[in-house]
Amino acid sequence: DAGITQSPRHKVTETGTPVTLRCHQTENHRYMYWYRQDPGHGLRLIHYSYGVKDTDKGEVSDGYSVSRSKTEDFLLTLESATSSQTSVYFCAISQGVLVGTEAFFGQGTRLTVV
Amino acid sequence: KNEVEQSPQNLTAQEGEFITINCSYSVGISALHWLQQHPGGGIVSLFMLSSGKKKHGRLIATINIQEKHSSLHITASHPRDSAVYICAGGPDKLIFGTGTRLQVFP
Repeated sequence: DAGITQSPRHKVTETGTPVTLRCHQTENHRYMYWYRQDPGHGLRLIHYSYGVKDTDKGEVSDGYSVSRSKTEDFLLTLESATSSQTSVYFCAISQGVLVGTEAFFGQGTRLTVV
Repeated sequence: KNEVEQSPQNLTAQEGEFITINCSYSVGISALHWLQQHPGGGIVSLFMLSSGKKKHGRLIATINIQEKHSSLHITASHPRDSAVYICAGGPDKLIFGTGTRLQVFP
């Protein structure tokens, strides 16, 4: 299995609090992605990174920020959590651009905002 | 209309049956991904293909680029195949289907 770990795996937080999710990889892959998964929707891209300190927005980036200070870590921050951000969050990594390269996914983080 | 659509949304089968899950897309793609998600678990990549057919064990994936259609087949299905199967593709970013939930009963 690809070495990709998400933490925490589960979190309950209150509306208005900041939350940070961590994705850690041991594969030295260049690309890292954060997705959210909600009922009735396919996985939707929040942010992605194509190198250290190189990040870009996805289709549902409002209310989220990311940072990548090391190759192995990609952090997703909810600046002020809202109930609409209750979701399952997945991190993914790939060696090249994801459309043409195999993807490896983390186990997911279930976040509940109350 | 979603750019990547799967059918059926739900599928039940008896152990041993041949399973087909379909994926149609309206966008240009570099490659089509098939993924598997077990209940409560993470997501695993099964196949990535841009033409023809690929086989891994009892799983077979095919793609017809001209018709913008891909299929995932499972031969001799088993209860452990019960999972959500997701297809994804896109021109520059992956667009994911909403998944097909498969339940295989003994």
